[in-house]
Amino acid sequence: EAGVVQSPRYKIIEKKQPVAFWCNPISGHNTLYWYLQNLGQGPELLIRYENEEAVDDSQLPKDRFSAERLKGVDSTLKIQPAELGDSAVYLCASSPRAGGRGDTQYFGPGTRLTVL
Amino acid sequence: DQQVKQNSPSLSVQEGRISILNCDYTNSMFDYFLWYKKYPAEGPTFLISISSIKDKNEDGRFTVFLNKSAKHLSLHIVPSQPGDSAVYFCAARNTGNQFYFGTGTSLTVIP
Repeated sequence: EAGVVQSPRYKIIEKKQPVAFWCNPISGHNTLYWYLQNLGQGPELLIRYENEEAVDDSQLPKDRFSAERLKGVDSTLKIQPAELGDSAVYLCASSPRAGGRGDTQYFGPGTRLTVL
Repeated sequence: DQQVKQNSPSLSVQEGRISILNCDYTNSMFDYFLWYKKYPAEGPTFLISISSIKDKNEDGRFTVFLNKSAKHLSLHIVPSQPGDSAVYFCAARNTGNQFYFGTGTSLTVIP
């Protein structure tokens, strides 16, 4: 079974430029998460989808960040414009059931963003 | 405000000995706790979990202990192996199905 796929793995951009990250969850997984991980820190939730609905986006900086999960499968996270402080690893995770409280999250390898 | 804390950034253990990784939390509404293992350039991988109604869960060489009164959990690895060298994250889930992660402990198992 294929795991969570993320692309690109690495991205270097200049500040004020836009950037987008893509995530393909494990087939059949209904819940999808985007996390931000700064150096030396644990992952912090940005947004959680159950199917195509964003059920928790309270930590998403909506002035510059946006996300979508069309058709409840793949998801894209966008930053526009990027700032120096956005340099971090962006992790995508999925879990089997919408609202599944006992479900394990499966993480992708992450996208390492560097903003110059 | 860090709701899940791992106060030891690093730990070194001799191969074959026990590794004990600690985690403290502040929110009494957490009802489920997990440990993840992370290798460089990879995403975290689920290791073991425990519900708040239990105080111990064991899976092979890995055991997680939960002390609710102290708001403390620990991961025991015995015997430790060089392949266990990784960063270990503690995570907790609240009743709103939100997950909070600690800052990680880097474990080095010395052959």
